[in-house]
Parts: sequence; structure tokens; C-alpha cells
Amino acid sequence: KAGVTQTPRYLIKTRGQQVTLSCSPISGHRSVSWYQQTPGQGLQFLFEYFSETQRNKGNFPGRFSGRQFSNSRSEMNVSTLELGDSALYLCASSPGVDPANEKLFFGSGTQLSVL
Amino acid sequence: AQKVTQAQTEISVVEKEDVTLDCVYETRDTTYYLFWYKQPPSGELVFLIRRNSFDEQNEISGRYSWNFQKSTSSFNFTITASQVVDSAVYFCALSGPRSGYSTLTFGKGTMLLVSP
Repeated sequence: KAGVTQTPRYLIKTRGQQVTLSCSPISGHRSVSWYQQTPGQGLQFLFEYFSETQRNKGNFPGRFSGRQFSNSRSEMNVSTLELGDSALYLCASSPGVDPANEKLFFGSGTQLSVL
Repeated sequence: AQKVTQAQTEISVVEKEDVTLDCVYETRDTTYYLFWYKQPPSGELVFLIRRNSFDEQNEISGRYSWNFQKSTSSFNFTITASQVVDSAVYFCALSGPRSGYSTLTFGKGTMLLVSP
């Protein structure tokens, strides 16, 4: 079974630009979550999508948005990039149905550098 | 609000030593789930274990063991006879109904360095 795939692996952007990151979940998983990892703040939850609907949202500004397609693939968009947005963005997929058996599986992440 | 504290920022051991990584959590949920993940230099978070709040049995998997104590809100992770390949950052995490079972609250992580 293929794991969680994130593209691209590395990205360099300049302030003010926007960026789109992509995540393909494990086959059969309906939940996709996004996390931001920085040395200072650690791992922080951005949002979760389940069956094309945002189910949970973290405490991030509106510049961070996402969506999920009917095949469960998800994209995350950051507009008007700031230097502080430089981070490793991790995507996780899970079945999303039964809390008693919920396990998140992570991709290798997209390393975003904002110059 | 949920919170996970990993007080040890970095631990250095020599191969074959035993090492325990501490994790203390806070939650108002009565049902919740605790996790440990390993993050090697490649960046991917690797799932190690999930524990339900109503199951306080300790678990052993090879050289890994976990001690869950609800009375002290702790979920500690021990590696027996550590190996160089164990070098990584280890994260403890928590999920529950208030935040969503698919939403994890992570600790800051403990970097484990195992030298030969």
C-alpha cells in the first residue's frame, strides 16, 4: 500500500507570493490533516478535511486555506507569504471514521522557504 | 485546552543504554488517545503506538515499551538497549473529542542521540 505522498518536496518563494502544496493520502483514507512544523513553535495543526469538507481548523490566519477533492487528495494554499511561513508542512491521512481505530500516517513533508 | 509536555529537549546516550522519554499531558476529555511518533532526519513522522485512555496496560514491542499512568497523566516511552538507528526526534501527542480524533496536539519533541 502506497504511503502519503506530498509534492513538491522543497519550495522556495519570495514574500508576497502564494504557494500551493499537494497531498495524496493512503488509498481508502478519507481524512487529510495539515500540520506546520517550525523550530520555534513545533508541530501545529492547521486544518483537517473529511469527505471534501473542512472538519476541524487550527488557529492560523485566513491566508492559510485548503481543500479536498472527491478522490481525497488535498491541497493547501498560503497566500501573501511572510518570512514566518518558512516551515516544514506535513500532511497526514487517516480513515477518519472510527475514533477507536484512528491513526494518522504522515508524509515526508514539503519544506517551504520564504525569502 | 489540551497540552502535551515533553520536558527533555535532548538526550544523549551511548549504544546499548536504556533510555526513557517522558511525556505529560493535560486534557479535560474523559476519553482520549495518546500517541508516540518518531521523526528521523528524512522528516516523515513514523507512527509508533496509540493508547486509549481507558486502557492502562503497559505495552512492549521489541525493544520499545510504554508506561501509561492516568493518575499522573503520563505516557512515558522506554527504549531498551538503544541503537544508533534510534537517533531521531520523538513526539508524544494527544487527541480527543473536543479537538477532533483526527487532530493531534503534539509536544515539542525530544531529540535522542545514540552514539556508537
